Amino acid sequence: DAKTTQPTSMDCAEGRAANLPCNHSTISGNEYVYWYRQIHSQGPQYIIHGLKNNETNEMASLIITEDRKSSTLILPHATLRDTAVYYCIVTGTYKYIFGTGTRLKVLA
Amino acid sequence: DGGITQSPKYLFRKEGQNVTLSCEQNLNHDAMYWYRQDPGQGLRLIYYSQIVNDFQKGDIAEGYSVSREKKESFPLTVTSAQKNPTAFYLCASSIYGRSANYGYTFGSGTRLTVV
Repeated sequence: DAKTTQPTSMDCAEGRAANLPCNHSTISGNEYVYWYRQIHSQGPQYIIHGLKNNETNEMASLIITEDRKSSTLILPHATLRDTAVYYCIVTGTYKYIFGTGTRLKVLA
Repeated sequence: DGGITQSPKYLFRKEGQNVTLSCEQNLNHDAMYWYRQDPGQGLRLIYYSQIVNDFQKGDIAEGYSVSREKKESFPLTVTSAQKNPTAFYLCASSIYGRSANYGYTFGSGTRLTVV
């Protein structure tokens, strides 16, 4: 599975868009990009995933670059409840490898 | 509502005792997983199972054992051989298939403290 690189932490003002980057320069053709988030002392929650195209759902948007070597998770209007650790995972199988993620803090 | 249930939420055990963590899902998912999380760290895979009566070791299987007698259940036993068992344990499930186009559903976790 491809390795991912994410910033350790980020801050975002409440109501603004939160843009969380992820580098996955060694991604291969059949590997998907997944995003999960983990609020303190809870199980991770699925947010969104994609292969090549940009994706949007009720929680977030996922922008994948054309060469697929990086992606950005966008939370369009961050709220205090979005404060969490966000994990970017790249996988071609059902088996995940988690890094340490990005700790997003939404500020009032 | 379909989901994945882990119990108990908090568990305390004396050093040297085996302890079993429960994980049950009613999502009809084929695959189930156990992860361990230490403070400030990401999740590390202990064991996973793709189908009933079959399971594979993950990256940190030493000192742990599992069984998969039913599709819905995947209990994890932390044995006395596990050197540092105090951690947050997470169970997950997913549809199993050749494609990775399936997300995980996680339980709410069990925090095990060994004293």
